[in-house]
Amino acid sequence: DSGVTQTPKHLITATGQRVTLRCSPRSGDLSVYWYQQSLDQGLQFLIQYYNGEERAKGNILERFSAQQFPDLHSELNLSSLELGDSALYFCASSVSYRAAGNTIYFGEGSWLTVV
Amino acid sequence: QQQVKQSPQSLIVQKGGISIINCAYENTAFDYFPWYQQFPGKGPALLIAIRPDVSEKKEGRFTISFNKSAKQFSLHIMDSQPGDSATYFCAASMLLWGQGGKLIFGQGTELSVKP
Repeated sequence: DSGVTQTPKHLITATGQRVTLRCSPRSGDLSVYWYQQSLDQGLQFLIQYYNGEERAKGNILERFSAQQFPDLHSELNLSSLELGDSALYFCASSVSYRAAGNTIYFGEGSWLTVV
Repeated sequence: QQQVKQSPQSLIVQKGGISIINCAYENTAFDYFPWYQQFPGKGPALLIAIRPDVSEKKEGRFTISFNKSAKQFSLHIMDSQPGDSATYFCAASMLLWGQGGKLIFGQGTELSVKP
């Protein structure tokens, strides 16, 4: 158990809908990351927050947004969902804002299926 | 430029054998190279990592070999065991303002160790 908690574990929704994925980082970790894993794209970095502020941004679609709250939990909002958004979404956390020299712990992911 | 290319896609090794997975990168700004292990239904977990000022790092049965001039690095699993059967990802990150937390992953290698 990495200590990173993600909810829900599975989600099935229709095209055009909006969903929110929730993440609780490990106790003491200030950085939260979101990754998308799919068969064709592999593991793709979406966005990172550090202590409530956006720190790094990847190829995150404009239909997606995220935030980190004062209690350090994070939410990833996916809107106007398309079939291609079906994927496993991972949240990860670490103490520092840098990957180097720090262990980034991944949750077990939220499976999103868009039908 | 920001890609990390990983090979092979899949690998079958006999118990006790050596598993070798290779990765190559183009961007010389990368300064941290971790390997992650992922079991089915779980998130990736950090296995071992190396910085470019070191040519080799060993932790137990796992060794990273790093060739800075060739921009290649590899994971060697000695005395491979059935319990090592998992998907392995190489990754890289760079020391750039606003990018230090971002991990760029290879496409993954599915390792199967036969008893």
